Amino acid sequence: QQQVKQSPQSLIVQKGGISIINCAYENTAFDYFPWYQQFPGKGPALLIAIRPDVSEKKEGRFTISFNKSAKQFSLHIMDSQPGDSATYFCAASRNNAGNMLTFGGGTRLMVKP
Amino acid sequence: GAGVSQSPSNKVTEKGKDVELRCDPISGHTALYWYRQRLGQGLEFLIYFQGNSAPDKSGLPSDRFSAERTGESVSTLTIQRTQQEDSAVYLCASSLYVARGETQYFGPGTRLLVL
Repeated sequence: QQQVKQSPQSLIVQKGGISIINCAYENTAFDYFPWYQQFPGKGPALLIAIRPDVSEKKEGRFTISFNKSAKQFSLHIMDSQPGDSATYFCAASRNNAGNMLTFGGGTRLMVKP
Repeated sequence: GAGVSQSPSNKVTEKGKDVELRCDPISGHTALYWYRQRLGQGLEFLIYFQGNSAPDKSGLPSDRFSAERTGESVSTLTIQRTQQEDSAVYLCASSLYVARGETQYFGPGTRLLVL
């Protein structure tokens, strides 16, 4: 049972463009939604996160949009740079379940110079 | 002061052998998690430890998998009688507490290949 579905699996964007990655979840008990960035050979690192009581969170070039009624959330990377090329994972967790993360399948982003 | 460390970084073993993977969490972090990442896929939760509480083993795929943690420090994940489908990257993460929004910091992983 895939509780968090992520799309697309891969994405190619030109430098300066907007990268958009989407996730949908099933379990309404999820109450924390982080995005992780992973470079080859490294562990994932937290990029940005949102709680369901807000609809949007912005940190620099990275924005999460959250739609609670649709059970969807997305990551927008503005002015994408070649250094943003990595694999991005959305995730979700429940505070009353040890905060273990349920991950989406990942999106491999390539930003072309 | 460093981040989460894991050893070995790579492990090649033969089918049927036992392997032991080690995780050193960030000092002072009470929560420790193990995840598995198969090639080209997302991470799957395996087990987590919180302080001295009994671990949550709900993600372990079979009884061949087990894990231990010494107090709030080192953890070892043991896979007995390894199978080819166990080939994956095994990632460890730690967080200061188990609380909503508490960041999990990941180690670089152990790449396990079962021949």
